[in-house]
This record gives sequence, C-alpha cells and structure tokens, in this order.
Amino acid sequence: DVKVTQSSRYLVKRTGEKVFLECVQDMDHENMFWYRQDPGLGLRLIYFSYDVKMKEKGDIPEGYSVSREKKERFSLILESASTNQTSMYLCASSSSGASGANVLTFGAGSRLTVL
Amino acid sequence: AQKVTQAQTEISVVEKEDVTLDCVYETRDTTYYLFWYKQPPSGELVFLIRRNSFDEQNEISGRYSWNFQKSTSSFNFTITASQVVDSAVYFCALSEPSLSGSRLTFGEGTQLTVNP
Repeated sequence: DVKVTQSSRYLVKRTGEKVFLECVQDMDHENMFWYRQDPGLGLRLIYFSYDVKMKEKGDIPEGYSVSREKKERFSLILESASTNQTSMYLCASSSSGASGANVLTFGAGSRLTVL
Repeated sequence: AQKVTQAQTEISVVEKEDVTLDCVYETRDTTYYLFWYKQPPSGELVFLIRRNSFDEQNEISGRYSWNFQKSTSSFNFTITASQVVDSAVYFCALSEPSLSGSRLTFGEGTQLTVNP
C-alpha cells in the first residue's frame, strides 16, 4: 500500500522554538507539497518541491522554510514558532507532469500547537 | 488568480437523505482540472474524482455523482441515500497547468454530518 508518512501526528512546542515536520513518501514521486489546514480557510499551500533540492513558494510561505535533500523526504521547518502557526499541517506527493492532472496522495497530517 | 468557493460550511442530514455539496471555481485558463477529496475523521485526504475542463459529462460512481457545468463554473457533488460513513469534510480543488508542476487550489471545505 503506497503511503505518505508524516513523522508526528501531534506536537506541542513553545513560542520561539525551531520545529521540524518530516514527510516521507514511498511512491518515487517527483512532486511534494506542504499544506496548512485551518477551519474556514481550507488547505493553503505553503511550499512545494518538484525535484530534489528544488523548491517553490506557495501562497503562504512566510515564517516557513523547506528542505528536500532526498527524493522521498520533504521537511517543513518553522525557524521560530509563533502561536499563529498553530494548525494542522498536511504533506502530499504526486508524480511529475505539467498538465495539472496529477492526483495528490496525502499523509495523515501533523497537528501542531504552539504555546 | 484561481479560486475555489464552497459556500456551505456545514451540512447535517439524516441517514438515507440525498445531499448536494456545492463548488464554484474561478480561473482564466481554458485547460484545468477539478477534483473532490474526502477527509474522514482520521485526517488523511482521500481522492474521489478528477475532471478535466473539456469533459462536461456527469459522472456516477455508486451513490456518488458529480455535475460539472462550465457555464456556471460549478462542480457539484451529490451523495444519494447518505450513510453515517459519509460523515467527513469534503474539499473541492482546482488545478492548472504549470511548468514547475501542478498545484491544487482548495476550497474551504464542507463538513458533512450524517446522523443515524
């Protein structure tokens, strides 16, 4: 069964801490994505990567950075966590292609609380 | 810029009722794809359907059906004879071609609760 695995389901951090959210996929997908999900706002794209060491900003990249050193792993980094980054974070992956037809496979999510 | 609107924040029905989830989108492209995803309480979004902008045929899959109308920029989702297991958050999404890889724009989501 193909999977996108997010390392932590629940995290509690303090303001100012550095936070790493890890995502691993086993489908040999080229594209990987980090979304943030908030009530009433749906899913908003933070960053995505279409190849190793490549990254592009999404709609809300401020306060976040990403790392993709290996094809299967895509990390989201909060350099200095703030309370307004309390949210559900969803990782997804898809195969390559510029047509827009690619189906995303999602992980189960990481619920982050920043105190 | 592309946009997806799901005006219904929450819907509550009784089992066996039919329910329609609305989705309206905005895009300047003539080529695009529309999707529906389901997010059960476990949290993992599950793909339900994909439609391209050139295929306006309605689709039926068991109790699920989708109505795509380009004239009104809508892609509505109907569940017939709803069941408790249909309770979830449903997201409509829009994807446009991009040289750097496709990316989805999601709507706000509709929380569907089916009561026994």
